[in-house]
Amino acid sequence: GQQVMQIPQYQHVQEGEDFTTYCNSSTTLSNIQWYKQRPGGHPVFLIQLVKSGEVKKQKRLTFQFGEAKKNSSLHITATQTTDVGTYFCAGHSGAGSYQLTFGKGTKLSVIP
Amino acid sequence: DVKVTQSSRYLVKRTGEKVFLECVQDMDHENMFWYRQDPGLGLRLIYFSYDVKMKEKGDIPEGYSVSREKKERFSLILESASTNQTSMYLCASSLSWQANYGYTFGSGTRLTVV
Repeated sequence: GQQVMQIPQYQHVQEGEDFTTYCNSSTTLSNIQWYKQRPGGHPVFLIQLVKSGEVKKQKRLTFQFGEAKKNSSLHITATQTTDVGTYFCAGHSGAGSYQLTFGKGTKLSVIP
Repeated sequence: DVKVTQSSRYLVKRTGEKVFLECVQDMDHENMFWYRQDPGLGLRLIYFSYDVKMKEKGDIPEGYSVSREKKERFSLILESASTNQTSMYLCASSLSWQANYGYTFGSGTRLTVV
């Protein structure tokens, strides 16, 4: 079945450094979604990308969807302690697919 | 804002008990989901429902069943709880199957089976 791989599993950064997490799918995706889960919290939807090569920004967060629609990345510029949490990507494999497949997430720690 | 409410934040049950986890959403969403989240394994889909009285198996349905008698409510049932079902259970909902909507998650139920 469809697999979504996410790397790295863990990332420790100094506050102010940049951070990137990468997501790769074994199949072409119709869309990719990103979620953030704060420690002790639940996943919260951040954004969805649909078009090949799409780039979207939310303040210091930049999301990209690959040209082949099989990979995606989330880049955070100048991390802050409020960025701490686990970032998940998730994708639908195509039309008629009911199932959103989640990556295992990247856990971000920010050292003040 | 859409709210997804899970009835219990923490639950401790004994092996062999029948366990009900309740989830209610308040925004008329068509789709509802049950996931379990375990360290190192991420989010794994147990069951989902795209309409009242409809249910579909996810990746790990064994040992679980679900019920959706009303649109707003989706229940997860552990027929005979076992220790390997100790986990964080997350309910989610989404507006429809048009793949343009993110999921809204509840706060989760941390179930411990002893």
